[in-house]
Amino acid sequence: RKEVEQDPGPFNVPEGATVAFNCTYSNSASQSFFWYRQDCRKEPKLLMSVYSSGNEDGRFTAQLNRASQYISLLIRDSKLSDSATYLCVVNRRDDKIIFGKGTRLHILP
Amino acid sequence: NAGVTQTPKFQVLKTGQSMTLQCAQDMNHNSMYWYRQDPGMGLRLIYYSASEGTTDKGEVPNGYNVSRLNKREFSLRLESAAPSQTSVYFCASSDPRVWAEAFFGQGTRLTVV
Repeated sequence: RKEVEQDPGPFNVPEGATVAFNCTYSNSASQSFFWYRQDCRKEPKLLMSVYSSGNEDGRFTAQLNRASQYISLLIRDSKLSDSATYLCVVNRRDDKIIFGKGTRLHILP
Repeated sequence: NAGVTQTPKFQVLKTGQSMTLQCAQDMNHNSMYWYRQDPGMGLRLIYYSASEGTTDKGEVPNGYNVSRLNKREFSLRLESAAPSQTSVYFCASSDPRVWAEAFFGQGTRLTVV
């Protein structure tokens, strides 16, 4: 079993819709959590951190459930520019940063 | 504001050749990482270094060696390249605080023929 698991998609979603991604992690020693965005053939870039209390940044909302070892990302009012691969990322206490395989999102006009 | 710089950006090797991928960061980060990314596999950790002078294996270390030359530089060496090492390689660095962001280089696209 992979340490960080995501549904690979692709999610094909009409522009303006709401889409949600989930991620589970298996290492209970994980200490911080993130969503990264990766555009085709580019390096990953931080989208947002995921705090225990949940956090929101514009159209994006992230949630963390430590008891269930589950992370989510919600995108509201999706835009064509949101098309990308979204990577669930876990920082462990030993400083290793572990990535999920990513979820591909296609926003349809 | 360079961030993380990787060289080269592209490379073609013949099976059995050796090469070193270079990575340097100017953010004074203690932690540095090498990943490879293959279609459908996501980013897999090859090696990482929590501080100058220390290195540790990741998920897929076989066939690779690393050197943390100083705080800024972390190189990845392929001693005898194999076609299975055809991939996109990313270097990253991070300040090892709990919610610290990892910054990535632009990647090296390596083909082994």
